[in-house]
Amino acid sequence: DVKVTQSSRYLVKRTGEKVFLECVQDMDHENMFWYRQDPGLGLRLIYFSYDVKMKEKGDIPEGYSVSREKKERFSLILESASTNQTSMYLCASSSNRGLVEAFFGQGTRLTVV
Amino acid sequence: GQQVMQIPQYQHVQEGEDFTTYCNSSTTLSNIQWYKQRPGGHPVFLIQLVKSGEVKKQKRLTFQFGEAKKNSSLHITATQTTDVGTYFCAGRKTTSGTYKYIFGTGTRLKVLA
Repeated sequence: DVKVTQSSRYLVKRTGEKVFLECVQDMDHENMFWYRQDPGLGLRLIYFSYDVKMKEKGDIPEGYSVSREKKERFSLILESASTNQTSMYLCASSSNRGLVEAFFGQGTRLTVV
Repeated sequence: GQQVMQIPQYQHVQEGEDFTTYCNSSTTLSNIQWYKQRPGGHPVFLIQLVKSGEVKKQKRLTFQFGEAKKNSSLHITATQTTDVGTYFCAGRKTTSGTYKYIFGTGTRLKVLA
């Protein structure tokens, strides 16, 4: 059973703080993704990674960076949190072989005050 | 970038009524997936459609992929309270030999008992 685990369910940070969101998957998936979900906008892709140390920008990468030092772990970094980054953040992973779908973590609701 | 719109954004139905959500892409999709997100939960994969004009059924759910592979629909017959949630379509796009998922804006379904 695929498991994608995000380090926090809820997070409150102050404007200007550096924020780390962590995601771990246990299925040896090559691909990992970070989305943010906002009402009426669906899921928007921030960054994705198709291999260790490899990353690609998604549709809304500004203000974010990522790190993938190990295959199972994909971190999203907000260098200097701002109130417009208050959102639900969802991590997902998928394989290049066989299974076609993306498996999601439970989400982190980040509030920047 | 690639855009995937869904209509309607919200739908309230009486239990037992039918429900349809439509997904439209600005570009041709190689395939389309559908996900369901229960309130407070994360998106969970339902199905993938690949062929032009394809129709697939899962019990009371019928999924269609348009002939031009730019639109798709999900129809639920005789809705039940367990159908409550947000339904997302997602186009899977190949980039550099790997995959990313472009999600639609979602349709939130409320079923009134």
